Amino acid sequence: EAQVTQNPRYLITVTGKKLTVTCSQNMNHEYMSWYRQDPGLGLRQIYYSMNVEVTDKGDVPEGYKVSRKEKRNFPLILESPSPNQTSLYFCASFGGWEDRTDTQYFGPGTRLTVL
Amino acid sequence: LAKTTQPISMDSYEGQEVNITCSHNNIATNDYITWYQQFPSQGPRFIIQGYKTKVTNEVASLFIPADRKSSTLSLPRVSLSDTAVYYCLVVYGGYNKLIFGAGTRLAVHP
Repeated sequence: EAQVTQNPRYLITVTGKKLTVTCSQNMNHEYMSWYRQDPGLGLRQIYYSMNVEVTDKGDVPEGYKVSRKEKRNFPLILESPSPNQTSLYFCASFGGWEDRTDTQYFGPGTRLTVL
Repeated sequence: LAKTTQPISMDSYEGQEVNITCSHNNIATNDYITWYQQFPSQGPRFIIQGYKTKVTNEVASLFIPADRKSSTLSLPRVSLSDTAVYYCLVVYGGYNKLIFGAGTRLAVHP
């Protein structure tokens, strides 16, 4: 079954304590992306990756890091979390335009609370 | 990148057809129009995508006029389970990022 998995699904942490949210996809997709969703602001892109070792900033990259060492994994790293990073986070992957796979697949979401 | 504008909310009743219109005045030649559906606390789910004219799948239809400055998502005979937020996106054909707007919150009533 094609899927994007995220872990953890729920996380409560404190300001300044480094954390990593993992994302993995089993579709051999080249494109992966991280979004955060906040009430009234919709989904905003944090970072995206067009392939292994190729990453770029989205609209709200401040306070986040990513890495893409393998095609299937795209972890989101918060080096020093702050309360304004409390949000619902989604990872997504996309097969690209070459084979006309037009769908972005989204993970189930990670609800992060930073105290 | 093309900006989209869609109604904030809509109400309907079971069995009715729902049409949600999205405007994207500065759409570029290589851009595609894509719609997603999102239920609370779940990731968005792809519904339909088109470039021009009309596209239909088992879930919805997408109408795109010749100038492509707007598009209309049509949901036939909605049910309570169609209550969700619907996002209209304009996606560059070469793809590097998706821009989600605030979406349209559809409420289907019995």
